[in-house]
Amino acid sequence: AQSVAQPEDQVNVAEGNPLTVKCTYSVSGNPYLFWYVQYPNRGLQFLLKYITGDNLVKGSYGFEAEFNKSQTSFHLKKPSALVSDSALYFCAVRDTGFQKLVFGTGTRLLVSP
Amino acid sequence: DGGITQSPKYLFRKEGQNVTLSCEQNLNHDAMYWYRQDPGQGLRLIYYSQIVNDFQKGDIAEGYSVSREKKESFPLTVTSAQKNPTAFYLCASSAASSGANVLTFGAGSRLTVL
Repeated sequence: AQSVAQPEDQVNVAEGNPLTVKCTYSVSGNPYLFWYVQYPNRGLQFLLKYITGDNLVKGSYGFEAEFNKSQTSFHLKKPSALVSDSALYFCAVRDTGFQKLVFGTGTRLLVSP
Repeated sequence: DGGITQSPKYLFRKEGQNVTLSCEQNLNHDAMYWYRQDPGQGLRLIYYSQIVNDFQKGDIAEGYSVSREKKESFPLTVTSAQKNPTAFYLCASSAASSGANVLTFGAGSRLTVL
């Protein structure tokens, strides 16, 4: 069965510093990987996805993610954090053989001024 | 603008009552989904529909029901059989239910049982 883990409930970073939000996955086939962001009392917004090809994926708002097949990871990164990046971030995975998208439990990012 | 509209945004229910959450999309998407969000548990899939007049149970379907009579609409009924219905409910849609298709989410409906 496919699954995704976000090992950190919260990540704290100072504005202007680089940020990393971790995600590891487990699938039986080749994965489709996604990152979504959620602001308070709102729905999720799509940030980026990995399908195939280049392991470094660039997405919205300056975010990027690196696919690492050997470590089964898809960590979200940004070179310089903004206070407005503070939100709840979800990693999700879909196995090529399955239709269901499985979400992680979410990581709260707090960027301090 | 294309998107997903969920209503109501906030809903209060007495124990023993059924309530229906509305979800409408104008994105011409075939697939629609209902998720439940609880603190610390991420999103759990309740039901999904790949096409009109067809839907499948997700991981936590007990106590919920859906219908898909129109492509644009996928209402969710929370029945009295759902023992712990207080949660944030999210509706989503995608062009198809497989592969790299991205989900578009509504703004959510927060249900509180009094």
